[in-house]
Amino acid sequence: DIQMTQSPASLSASVGETVTITCRASENIYSYLAWYQQKQGKSPQLLVYNAKTLAEGVPSRFSGSGSGTQFSLKINSLQPEDFGSYYCQHHYGTLYTFGGGTKLEIK
Amino acid sequence: DVQLVESGGGLVQPGGSRKLSCAASGFTFSSFGMHWVRQAPEKGLEWVAYISSGSSTIYYADTVKGRFTISRDNPKNTLFLQMTSLRSEDTAMYYCARAGTYFDVWGAGTTVTVSS
Repeated sequence: DIQMTQSPASLSASVGETVTITCRASENIYSYLAWYQQKQGKSPQLLVYNAKTLAEGVPSRFSGSGSGTQFSLKINSLQPEDFGSYYCQHHYGTLYTFGGGTKLEIK
Repeated sequence: DVQLVESGGGLVQPGGSRKLSCAASGFTFSSFGMHWVRQAPEKGLEWVAYISSGSSTIYYADTVKGRFTISRDNPKNTLFLQMTSLRSEDTAMYYCARAGTYFDVWGAGTTVTVSS
C-alpha cells in the first residue's frame, strides 16, 4: 500500500507569514494528490486536487506543487481563517490514503 | 444547495453492529461515486470505503474489510455503511463524501462510540 508522510506534524506561525507543508508518497503517484483543510469541529474541505489545481472558491494565496513522490502546499500571507489542520491524500489505484496531517496554529 | 447529512451514529457495544446513513440532496446522486471516511478522536482522517455510482465497484480499507459493507439506494438518494463486529478502535466520527473531483463535498459527520 502507498504510504503518505506529511511534515511537519505541527506548525506555529503568525498572520501574514508564508508557510509550506510537505507530503511524501512511498511510491510514484504522478499528480494524483489532493489537499484538504479541516477547522476545529468541522468537516474537511477540498483545497487542491491533481497536485496543483485549486478547488472552486479557494483563495489564490494557496498553491500546490509537486509530482511523483514529493508534494507541497504553500500558503502565502496567512490569514486568521487559515489556521486548522491540513491533510494530503492520494488517489492512485484502489485506495485513498490520507497523510497524518499538519496542525497549523497561531503563534 | 449540495448537501450530505449523515445519521445513525451512537453508542454500540464491542462486537455489535450499526448501520449509518447519508442522505444526499442538491445534486444527481446516481451520477456520483461516494465514500465513507472516519476520524478517531484527536486523530487524522482515515478513508473507509468507496462505492461507484451504480454500485458495480466497491473498495474497502484493510482495517474494515470483511466487517463493513457499503451500499446505496439511488432512488432514495441515500448511502449506507453497515458495520458489524465493531471494536473500540472503530470509535470515530464517520463522514460521507462525494467522489466528484476527489472528495469534493463532505457531510458534517455522525459519531460512533464502541464501548461497553
